[in-house]
Amino acid sequence: AQTVTQSQPEMSVQEAETVTLSCTYDTSESDYYLFWYKQPPSRQMILVIRQEAYKQQNATENRFSVNFQKAAKSFSLKISDSQLGDAAMYFCAYRNRHSGNTPLVFGKGTRLSVIA
Amino acid sequence: DADVTQTPRNRITKTGKRIMLECSQTKGHDRMYWYRQDPGLGLRLIYYSFDVKDINKGEISDGYSVSRQAQAKFSLSLESAIPNQTALYFCATSDRHSYNEQFFGPGTRLTVL
Repeated sequence: AQTVTQSQPEMSVQEAETVTLSCTYDTSESDYYLFWYKQPPSRQMILVIRQEAYKQQNATENRFSVNFQKAAKSFSLKISDSQLGDAAMYFCAYRNRHSGNTPLVFGKGTRLSVIA
Repeated sequence: DADVTQTPRNRITKTGKRIMLECSQTKGHDRMYWYRQDPGLGLRLIYYSFDVKDINKGEISDGYSVSRQAQAKFSLSLESAIPNQTALYFCATSDRHSYNEQFFGPGTRLTVL
């Protein structure tokens, strides 16, 4: 079974600075998707960024980018120019691409605080 | 209007009561999921359904049941609620053609006293 590990239960960053959230996963599959979801205090789950394992290029979405290291099974999220609105729980998630109908597997989350 | 809705948004109930949480979606997706979120544990899968005739148990299905009444509706029931089922419950949907992204409802905060 696949597992997703987020080793940092809590992180903090100064406003306008950069922070990196860590995620590692365990799988024997070669083709899969990885995601970062954000959960602000409103509790809504919001997709931040996705990465297809077959793509070598790291995904970016505005201030959010990932460092995808397939051999190391690592998928970290970098937030640049942090803003107060970035304060939230962040969840890393994994899904096989070709294994039929398996749902997402989530990590336990990292709570990010942004200090003004 | 929201694409994925959950009712109720908050519920307080007593041990032993039967509770139903409802989820509806207007996205036209064929796949629907129920997750439970507990502090420090992330989201854990309870049940999932890939069409009206397909129901599958997830990681933590004991104590729960589901019904897929239509493609757009997926209900979660707690037949006899217990305090350790106090949690935040999320419904989610996905489409086989949407990079497997899941779209989440707003969540239901359930408290079992």
